[in-house]
Parts: sequence; C-alpha cells; structure tokens
Amino acid sequence: DTGVSQDPRHKITKRGQNVTFRCDPISEHNRLYWYRQTLGQGPEFLTYFQNEAQLEKSRLLSDRFSAERPKGSFSTLEIQRTEQGDSAMYLCASSRSGALKDTQYFGPGTRLTVL
Amino acid sequence: KQEVTQIPAALSVPEGENLVLNCSFTDSAIYNLQWFRQDPGKGLTSLLLIQSSQREQTSGRLNASLDKSSGRSTLYIAASQPGDSATYLCAVSPLGSSGDKLTFGTGTRLAVRP
Repeated sequence: DTGVSQDPRHKITKRGQNVTFRCDPISEHNRLYWYRQTLGQGPEFLTYFQNEAQLEKSRLLSDRFSAERPKGSFSTLEIQRTEQGDSAMYLCASSRSGALKDTQYFGPGTRLTVL
Repeated sequence: KQEVTQIPAALSVPEGENLVLNCSFTDSAIYNLQWFRQDPGKGLTSLLLIQSSQREQTSGRLNASLDKSSGRSTLYIAASQPGDSATYLCAVSPLGSSGDKLTFGTGTRLAVRP
C-alpha cells in the first residue's frame, strides 16, 4: 500500500491553456474524490466517483472542468481554458465504500499556478 | 447548507502544554466527523474519525469528542510537542451518505514553541 499519489505535484501554466492532473488511489479503494483548496481555506468538494461512475459534482465544477475515472482505477481532472482564479491546490482522496469508518485518505496534492 | 467553523484560527503555545481546538457545524444531521492534520504545502493526514453515534475517539496524545446535538467537536492534544505544529482541519460528512462529500472548516494553525 503506497498511499494515494498525484501527478504532477506542481504545475505552472499560462491563462487560457488546458491542464490535466492524475490521481492514483489506494488499490483496493473503489471511491475517489477531488477537492480544491485555496490559500488559508479548507478543501472544497468538487466531485467523486464510485468505481467508474461519477456520482456527484459540485456547483464549483464549471463546464471548463471535467473528471474521468475510465476503468475505476486512476482518475484525471482536466481544466480547459485556465483562469487565474483556478490557481489552487487540487487534492485527491480515496476510500473504501462499505467499510465501517469510511476514512478518506488524501494524496499530496497538485499545486496549480495560472499566470 | 452545512457550514463548519474552527476556533481559534491560529494558536501558539509553549512545548508541553495541553490544548483544545474547537470545531462547530450548523447542521447536526451528520454521518461522521473527521480531524485532519495538514503540514505546509502538503496533503491531509487523517487523525481521528468519530461516527455520529460515538462520543469520542482517542489515539495516543489525541482525543476528539463529538456533541452532535449542539453541533460541536473538540480535539484535545496532550503534552504538545514542536512536531505537532501544523494546521488542523475538521470535516463533516452528511447523513444519507456513507462518508462522501466532506465539508471542511478553515482550520486552526498551531505553532508549538520549543
């Protein structure tokens, strides 16, 4: 068990460019979550998957954002036409549904800076 | 809409002190409450999870309590150490789920002085 991993750890891009982040959950976890955290704030929920199905999306997830989990394993989060307001830490977490405690385990995050 | 508040926003204590961090939430219909630790620029580490039917959980020098009816939780840290310096976040998940969609507070930034 190597924990939740995210790639890249840092991304600097120019406004208007597209970016894609990857998350690899803990191998036996069937639930995967994306959160966004801005400086000095707690993480905010964006979306989550159970296996390959995207079960809920926050209103924070505008049309420029899309998330996929094609085979129920890793997930990608794409942001199209990035804006400066997209600058944040993007956190991925995973958990095992049906487990008594449903603890979410977080990855190290991808820090996005939009210039 | 669930709102989570953490007080104080920042705290500085000398090494060895016992301390209490507070978390309050507006909607008592929760499934569970978790306390996390976050080091600067890093992801979150789960410290304690309390199910809505539980009153407290303990792990080492940490003790978390939950009073669901009043919408409050506290995290007690005994004999603080410089290594405890971090931001502590509490998060609740809504009833009707099995733990998804956490709503977080803004955190308490703790500094323990040697």
